Amino acid sequence: AQSVTQLGSHVSVSEGALVLLRCNYSSSVPPYLFWYVQYPNQGLQLLLKYTTGATLVKGINGFEAEFKKSETSFHLTKPSAHMSDAAEYFCAVSRNSGGYQKVTFGTGTKLQVIP
Amino acid sequence: DAGVTQSPTHLIKTRGQQVTLRCSPKSGHDTVSWYQQALGQGPQFIFQYYEEEERQRGNFPDRFSGHQFPNYSSELNVNALLLGDSALYLCASSSDGFYEQYFGPGTRLTVT
Repeated sequence: AQSVTQLGSHVSVSEGALVLLRCNYSSSVPPYLFWYVQYPNQGLQLLLKYTTGATLVKGINGFEAEFKKSETSFHLTKPSAHMSDAAEYFCAVSRNSGGYQKVTFGTGTKLQVIP
Repeated sequence: DAGVTQSPTHLIKTRGQQVTLRCSPKSGHDTVSWYQQALGQGPQFIFQYYEEEERQRGNFPDRFSGHQFPNYSSELNVNALLLGDSALYLCASSSDGFYEQYFGPGTRLTVT
């Protein structure tokens, strides 16, 4: 079984401030981890992913995330928030199940950027 | 590359009716997955199609069914609609054996 927990359904930051969105996962096998962004009335866009190798992953739009196995975490960060970052962010975990990839999403975190 | 496309964009149906949603995968992709995203929730996996067969299914009743065509496009059918079926339905495509999925813009279904 696998699950994803996103701490904080709403996060507010000032423009230019650090963005930190938290994600913890549980998985019985080494997982693949993803962050997606969803703008209003749109589908999900992949921000970044961790599969194997380097634990610090860089994605689009200046976002990055670090896989910490000991903490079962995959938090998303951005050094300086921009107004265009206001959106909903989803963490997801994927693992091989019976030869197929099984994907589980978190409940999402809405990021508000205050000017 | 058009990416993943879905139709229609919006749909309003009445309880008890049936609905069909359509998805065309990204060029080169052969696997299509469907998700239901209720308001304020993360996407919930409905099922996945590969080689015209359903090969994975989430915890959704048999009212939810699907189909994949030889060109890899897919349909999601929902029978006997309930108010609780109101949601954004997302289609995602991928290449078999690969974990990265590309999502379409979704179909917003409202059941009244």
